[in-house]
Amino acid sequence: QVQLQESGPGLVKPSETLSLICSVSGGSISSYYWSWIRQPAGEGLQWIGRIYFSGSTNYNPSLKSRVTMSVDTSKNQFSLNLASVTAADTAVYYCARGFDGSGSYRFDSWGQGTLVTVSS
Amino acid sequence: DIVMTQSPDSLALSLGERATINCKSSQTVLYSPNNMNYLAWYQQKPGQPPKLLIHWASTRESGVPERFSGSGSGTDFTLTISSLQAEDVAVYYCQQYYSPPPTFGGGTKVEIK
Repeated sequence: QVQLQESGPGLVKPSETLSLICSVSGGSISSYYWSWIRQPAGEGLQWIGRIYFSGSTNYNPSLKSRVTMSVDTSKNQFSLNLASVTAADTAVYYCARGFDGSGSYRFDSWGQGTLVTVSS
Repeated sequence: DIVMTQSPDSLALSLGERATINCKSSQTVLYSPNNMNYLAWYQQKPGQPPKLLIHWASTRESGVPERFSGSGSGTDFTLTISSLQAEDVAVYYCQQYYSPPPTFGGGTKVEIK
């Protein structure tokens, strides 16, 4: 069974770049879509964007100007960079897997999540 | 973006009671060529990530108890827990995957009375 694990700094200063990595184990990163989703404390879920194993990306238009994703198939990892962060970007960040095919924007496996706080 | 609206925000029921959660989308999530509703339900327990319970509006994921069922079509959907168990205490989210960006409802918190 595939497992996902987020890693990265838990504290980022305002205006800097938030960088996270998701490591995939128990399965190949190939032939799936890989998303980042965030959840501010006590709030709902927001999809940030996704990357295919080939490197093609789709981003949420509301964040597109600040988001960059990449994939490293040799390490079975993919990453998120979110630039120019503010306190509004404070949230638990999840990585998740989406299907390759119809309905690819549903998420069947999730990491445990990592809390990122934006504060000076 | 498609807006997903859930009701109620929370509900408290006794063990064994039926729980009904509603989800409404701002536009249809029924794809006519394949007659499938691009609607999923997730369960999130405290301190855990969401867990996919149901997709295609009514198809249970492997291992999900039969007391969980999904119904509806077009813009109106329902998640039903036929007999509430203690382990069902969680927040439940609906999500549309019909049109990017995928969007989630605000969640419904289910508690034991």
